[in-house]
Amino acid sequence: DTEVTQTPKHLVMGMTNKKSLKCEQHMGHRAMYWYKQKAKKPPELMFVYSYEKLSINESVPSRFSPECPNSSLLNLHLHALQPEDSALYLCASSQALDPRKNIQYFGAGTRLSVL
Amino acid sequence: GQNIDQPTEMTATEGAIVQINCTYQTSGFNGLFWYQQHAGEAPTFLSYNVLDGLEEKGRFSSFLSRSKGYSYLLLKELQMKDSASYLCAVKYNFNKFYFGSGTKLNVKP
Repeated sequence: DTEVTQTPKHLVMGMTNKKSLKCEQHMGHRAMYWYKQKAKKPPELMFVYSYEKLSINESVPSRFSPECPNSSLLNLHLHALQPEDSALYLCASSQALDPRKNIQYFGAGTRLSVL
Repeated sequence: GQNIDQPTEMTATEGAIVQINCTYQTSGFNGLFWYQQHAGEAPTFLSYNVLDGLEEKGRFSSFLSRSKGYSYLLLKELQMKDSASYLCAVKYNFNKFYFGSGTKLNVKP
């Protein structure tokens, strides 16, 4: 089983709303990732968690706030977003960050529209 | 990021062989991945290279030359369902991952 589950599949929010994206995996993976993907562009890394600790923040604006409450769950809290934040948000997980253990498996994504 | 370059688009015929190239900046290199992505779907892992040489998985093979900063994905016996974007992704030191812009492959009957 290489399933990463993301909810919701679609989300429409206003610029003053607060919402959260959720990601779950039950593969025993200890590294989890958030990516942002705009149309016809490659995924761009946002955050990396390793053993529930934030390992990488790729200079993401503070209106995006990640959280890793346990080894299976990864959240992305959204607040005061801008229309240009509209994109597909992808979650991925890998066994670890070590070489040969960092093959990433992706969820289907949450398509976010900010009005 | 990291000058990961792939051709934008390629067209091939069903049953044929196609090679998709990827070049990247070599400094800090830590591994290279190939993913397939159908429109509107998540990327799906295809192959991983960290040492020089060829990795074969069924109809898909991937080659790496670390000294040249070069990889290719080889798809054999092309099928219509192989029409998709193919993304080259490179891991660098400090767990940085960068994706190339992807190669859109069109398979024609």
